[in-house]
Amino acid sequence: KQEVTQIPAALSVPEGENLVLNCSFTDSAIYNLQWFRQDPGKGLTSLLLIQSSQREQTSGRLNASLDKSSGRSTLYIAASQPGDSATYLCAVFQGAQKLVFGQGTRLTINP
Amino acid sequence: EAGVAQSPRYKIIEKRQSVAFWCNPISGHATLYWYQQILGQGPKLLIQFQNNGVVDDSQLPKDRFSAERLKGVDSTLKIQPAKLEDSAVYLCASMAAGAETQYFGPGTRLLVL
Repeated sequence: KQEVTQIPAALSVPEGENLVLNCSFTDSAIYNLQWFRQDPGKGLTSLLLIQSSQREQTSGRLNASLDKSSGRSTLYIAASQPGDSATYLCAVFQGAQKLVFGQGTRLTINP
Repeated sequence: EAGVAQSPRYKIIEKRQSVAFWCNPISGHATLYWYQQILGQGPKLLIQFQNNGVVDDSQLPKDRFSAERLKGVDSTLKIQPAKLEDSAVYLCASMAAGAETQYFGPGTRLLVL
């Protein structure tokens, strides 16, 4: 059974810092890995999707990497801003079109 | 393009009462999902529909939860009777055939007292 773990559970940093969020998964048989953002009271927004054959994906100040053999992914946020404050969720996409989520990292960027 | 719609947004009920949630997916999306997200946890899949058929309901507590997707479009999720531990956000998501990205609705926040 696939298990996805995110570390840390919560993170608070001053504005402008670069930061890294971590995600690990137990079963490397995945189609892709996605990072989502969740704002309070709102649904999930997909940030980045990395195919199992890819090593990384970039979108603006966000960069996600994937090491399928070791079961790890990282989300790098450059020059953090208060608007980046949210919960970030990692999810792996497996057979039968299923997503398995981690528990999330709650990020706070302090002005 | 309209997103995934859910209603109600919030619901407060007492334990042992029943409650129903509604989801309207993105037009044309064949696959529909219901997730339960307990505070501080990631979403957990309850049930997955492909058109109007159930693909996976292995984590749905069938003694109290039921779901249907009539005509392969809208879906309802029902809890009867509710327990305190059912307090959570219920998220609906949809995905187009052959795609890899699910689109999520805003969720329904349920509080069971």
